[in-house]
Amino acid sequence: QKEVEQDPGPLSVPEGAIVSLNCTYSNSAFQYFMWYRQYSRKGPELLMYTYSSGNKEDGRFTAQVDKSSKYISLFIRDSQPSDSATYLCAMSAPSNDYKLSFGAGTTVTVRA
Amino acid sequence: DVKVTQSSRYLVKRTGEKVFLECVQDMDHENMFWYRQDPGLGLRLIYFSYDVKMKEKGDIPEGYSVSREKKERFSLILESASTNQTSMYLCASGEGATDEQFFGPGTRLTVL
Repeated sequence: QKEVEQDPGPLSVPEGAIVSLNCTYSNSAFQYFMWYRQYSRKGPELLMYTYSSGNKEDGRFTAQVDKSSKYISLFIRDSQPSDSATYLCAMSAPSNDYKLSFGAGTTVTVRA
Repeated sequence: DVKVTQSSRYLVKRTGEKVFLECVQDMDHENMFWYRQDPGLGLRLIYFSYDVKMKEKGDIPEGYSVSREKKERFSLILESASTNQTSMYLCASGEGATDEQFFGPGTRLTVL
């Protein structure tokens, strides 16, 4: 079983829809949770960063962490064609020298 | 802006060849990382370095080695390339253990 499982997708949504992306994990020591966005033929770039449980909002993006359920989510409101990308969840723990463990990624296409 | 550059975007090599992948960052970051990215598997850590001359094995170091002679440069070496090393290779750098990692554009390596 992988340490981090991510909904495989792909997802195709119309412009303006809400996109919901999810990851589950097995290591209860994870404390830092990230979402990276990767455009085609580019390297990943950090989108959201959350420490421990709770919600974080940044414009159209909301990240949620539920440590009791070992579940994290990313919501994209009013999705735009420019949001079309692969989204990767990542997490780290002090017990693992803070090395990042990544999900496999979900490819999202927002149709104009 | 942080910039992480990788020496090649695309490489084609033959089985048994020695392959060097170079990565340079311009933000004086302490930490540098090499990942490979494969469909369905996400990013997997090959090697990382928290300081010059220092290197640590990641999750999949077999068949690879690294060199970090200068702070800004981190090289990945495939001693004898094999077809199962065909992949996208991503280099990243970051300041602290829990800080954001900045990724290069990737090198798509094909081993024939």
